[in-house]
Amino acid sequence: EDQVTQSPEALRLQEGESSSLNCSYTVSGLRGLFWYRQDPGKGPEFLFTLYSAGEEKEKERLKATLTKKESFLHITAPKPEDSATYLCAVQANTDKLIFGTGTRLQVFP
Amino acid sequence: NAGVTQTPKFQVLKTGQSMTLQCAQDMNHEYMSWYRQDPGMGLRLIHYSVGAGITDQGEVPNGYNVSRSTTEDFPLRLLSAAPSQTSVYFCASSPNHGREQYFGPGTRLTVT
Repeated sequence: EDQVTQSPEALRLQEGESSSLNCSYTVSGLRGLFWYRQDPGKGPEFLFTLYSAGEEKEKERLKATLTKKESFLHITAPKPEDSATYLCAVQANTDKLIFGTGTRLQVFP
Repeated sequence: NAGVTQTPKFQVLKTGQSMTLQCAQDMNHEYMSWYRQDPGMGLRLIHYSVGAGITDQGEVPNGYNVSRSTTEDFPLRLLSAAPSQTSVYFCASSPNHGREQYFGPGTRLTVT
C-alpha cells in the first residue's frame, strides 16, 4: 500500500539549533516528492520538488535531500519565522499524490 | 497576479443544506484540484480537473460535485451537507498534473 510517513510529529528548536525533518515513503514507483510549508490558517506554500535519489535543493536556511526510501528537510540555524507545519507529498507512477500528516516546527528565540 | 482565490473563508451550514465553494486562478494553469484537510490526516484529494470540460474523482469524492467550464474556475458543490464534511477545504492549481501545486487560502466549513 502506498504510504507517506513524516517524523517527528512536532519539533521544538531553539533559534540557531539546526535539525532535520524526515519523510519516508513506500510507493509503487516515485515520480516526484514535494515539500510544502503551511502557516496556521493558510494554504500550503510550495518549497521544493525532488525527482531522483541523490538530488538536493536549497532555499535560504532549508535544504531538501532525497534517497530511494526517504527525504530529509534540513533546517540550518533556524529563526522564529521558520515556525510552521512542513508537509511532504509523494507522487507515484500511478499518478496518485499522497500527502503526509506533517511536522509542526516551533522555533523559539 | 492574485494566484488562487477561494470564497468564502468561513461557512456554517445546517445538515442537508447545499452550497458551492468558489475557486479561481489567474495563472492559466491546466490542472486544478480540491482537497480537504482534517486534524491528524494528510490532505485528501476530493476531485480534480486536467483542463476545461474534464473532471475526475479523487480519493474522497462522495457528497461532492465539480465542474470546469473555464480554465480559471473550479467550483466545488456540496449536495446535502453532513457533519462529516466539517473540514478545511483547499483548492489548488498546477501548470499540469505531476507538477508543484499552488494552494488557495482555504475555506473553513462547519456543518451542524
